[in-house]
Amino acid sequence: GEDVEQSLFLSVREGDSSVINCTYTDSSSTYLYWYKQEPGAGLQLLTYIFSNMDMKQDQRLTVLLNKKDKHLSLRIADTQTGDSAIYFCAEKFSGGYNKLIFGAGTRLAVHP
Amino acid sequence: EAEVAQSPRYKITEKSQAVAFWCDPISGHATLYWYRQILGQGPELLVQFQDESVVDDSQLPKDRFSAERLKGVDSTLKIQPAELGDSAMYLCASSLPNSGQETQYFGPGTRLLVL
Repeated sequence: GEDVEQSLFLSVREGDSSVINCTYTDSSSTYLYWYKQEPGAGLQLLTYIFSNMDMKQDQRLTVLLNKKDKHLSLRIADTQTGDSAIYFCAEKFSGGYNKLIFGAGTRLAVHP
Repeated sequence: EAEVAQSPRYKITEKSQAVAFWCDPISGHATLYWYRQILGQGPELLVQFQDESVVDDSQLPKDRFSAERLKGVDSTLKIQPAELGDSAMYLCASSLPNSGQETQYFGPGTRLLVL
């Protein structure tokens, strides 16, 4: 079945690194995404990774993909208070027409 | 920078009333999506259009929800009659088909409260 799971909450100190984890079930997913949602707002695309890659870096963001274990992670370096938000992992479901399956989101709280 | 537009941003209605939400995708994006996001959960796809045609409405409660995209540009999602359980954020997204990863870009959403 289609399922994406994430831990619900992460608290980090400002300046530290944050690591948000995600597991997915569709081994045929071609792309995996990370979106950010601030309170009352829509979803903002942060980054994505193609399934034949195992790492992608984009400024402070590093995505790691372990396809064997169907595990995806997002690392945010030098976490700032402005990074406080909910982060959603999503897989592009191979059985749909570009259908995305989202996790429930990880709430990241950054404290001084 | 091009964005997906949605209106209204907030809607309060009583149960059994009809509500409608509007979405204008990024210009040139042929694929349009409506998602429902219940508080504390991730978005769930309700309906997907390719131009004016529905390509996936498997999760749309068709007894009360309808969606249209008559000219293949903007779209309307309607609920009639609304129920208490319909309280949620309704998100619209669009994408450019055949563009590799075909990234979905989201609008700000319409937050619906049914009393």
